[in-house]
Amino acid sequence: EAQVTQNPRYLITVTGKKLTVTCSQNMNHEYMSWYRQDPGLGLRQIYYSMNVEVTDKGDVPEGYKVSRKEKRNFPLILESPSPNQTSLYFCASKGQGAYNEQFFGPGTRLTVL
Amino acid sequence: AQTVTQSQPEMSVQEAETVTLSCTYDTSESDYYLFWYKQPPSRQMILVIRQEAYKQQNATENRFSVNFQKAAKSFSLKISDSQLGDAAMYFCAYRRNQGAQKLVFGQGTRLTINP
Repeated sequence: EAQVTQNPRYLITVTGKKLTVTCSQNMNHEYMSWYRQDPGLGLRQIYYSMNVEVTDKGDVPEGYKVSRKEKRNFPLILESPSPNQTSLYFCASKGQGAYNEQFFGPGTRLTVL
Repeated sequence: AQTVTQSQPEMSVQEAETVTLSCTYDTSESDYYLFWYKQPPSRQMILVIRQEAYKQQNATENRFSVNFQKAAKSFSLKISDSQLGDAAMYFCAYRRNQGAQKLVFGQGTRLTINP
């Protein structure tokens, strides 16, 4: 089954404790990205990757890091989480071709105390 | 920068009735895609319908259809014969056809279906 997986689905942590949210896709997609969803703001892009070893900032990259060492994986790293990073996070992937849709992961609910 | 605006934070409709969700966007591009996504309580993002900007004909998918007004930069979603399973948050989104594949989302509209 074609899918994007994220782990963990839920995470409660404390300020300053480094964490990683993993994202993996099995569709051989070149493009992957991370979004955060906040009430009243919709989804906003954090980082994206056009292919292996190619990453770039989205609209709200502060406080986040990413890496793309393998095509299928695109982890999101919070080196020193803060309460304003409490949010719902989505990973998405898309194949080449303008018509192709983006596939979203199930979301990760992160709470930073 | 492109922006997408959904001015209706909440909408409600009676089961079996028709409801229209509004969306406006701003862009200087001429080649782009517009989307409506549904997010049920499970939080999964589900693509409902897409529209290519260069196509004049409005997209339809079963009970879902859009009214795409390119000059007015308006992209509304009409849901006919509303069903209880249509209750969800709906997001309008924009994507350029060239370069980075970023989706720009509106704020969302929460749709309630009254039985």
